[in-house]
Amino acid sequence: RKEVEQDPGPFNVPEGATVAFNCTYSNSASQSFFWYRQDCRKEPKLLMSVYSSGNEDGRFTAQLNRASQYISLLIRDSKLSDSATYLCVVNGASGSARQLTFGSGTQLTVLP
Amino acid sequence: DADVTQTPRNRITKTGKRIMLECSQTKGHDRMYWYRQDPGLGLRLIYYSFDVKDINKGEISDGYSVSRQAQAKFSLSLESAIPNQTALYFCATSLPGTNVLTFGAGSRLTVL
Repeated sequence: RKEVEQDPGPFNVPEGATVAFNCTYSNSASQSFFWYRQDCRKEPKLLMSVYSSGNEDGRFTAQLNRASQYISLLIRDSKLSDSATYLCVVNGASGSARQLTFGSGTQLTVLP
Repeated sequence: DADVTQTPRNRITKTGKRIMLECSQTKGHDRMYWYRQDPGLGLRLIYYSFDVKDINKGEISDGYSVSRQAQAKFSLSLESAIPNQTALYFCATSLPGTNVLTFGAGSRLTVL
């Protein structure tokens, strides 16, 4: 089993739609969770951290379910500019950045 | 100017050649990393450095070496390139105590 697993997609949704991605992780001792966004042929950029209580940033909501060991990302009112690959990132028990594990990404295309 | 700059951005080379990828940063971060990204796989850590005198192997260090010339500079070398080292390479930085990475724009390496 991969340490961090994501549905690769692609997810093709119309503008204005709500779309959700899940990511499962295998290390129950993981401490930190993130979603990064990566545009085609560009570098990953932090989208948001994921907190135990769940957190929201505008149209984006991230949630953590420790019992089932998954995190989720919900995008409401999708925009064309949301088209990208979304990377789930989880760290190990040490909490150090050297133990970050990246998922292979979920590709989203928002259609006009 | 970008906070994390990688050179070259694209390189095509032949099997057996020595290649150096360079990374410089203006963020003042102590911690620097080299990752590679392959299609369908998550980013994988090659080497990391927590300060100028600190060099550590990551998950996939075989066939690579690094040099931390200064706080702001971290170079990755392939002593004798082979085709399966064809990939997109990213340099990243972070502050101590945080797992948030800032990436360079990437160096696309093709080994023929």
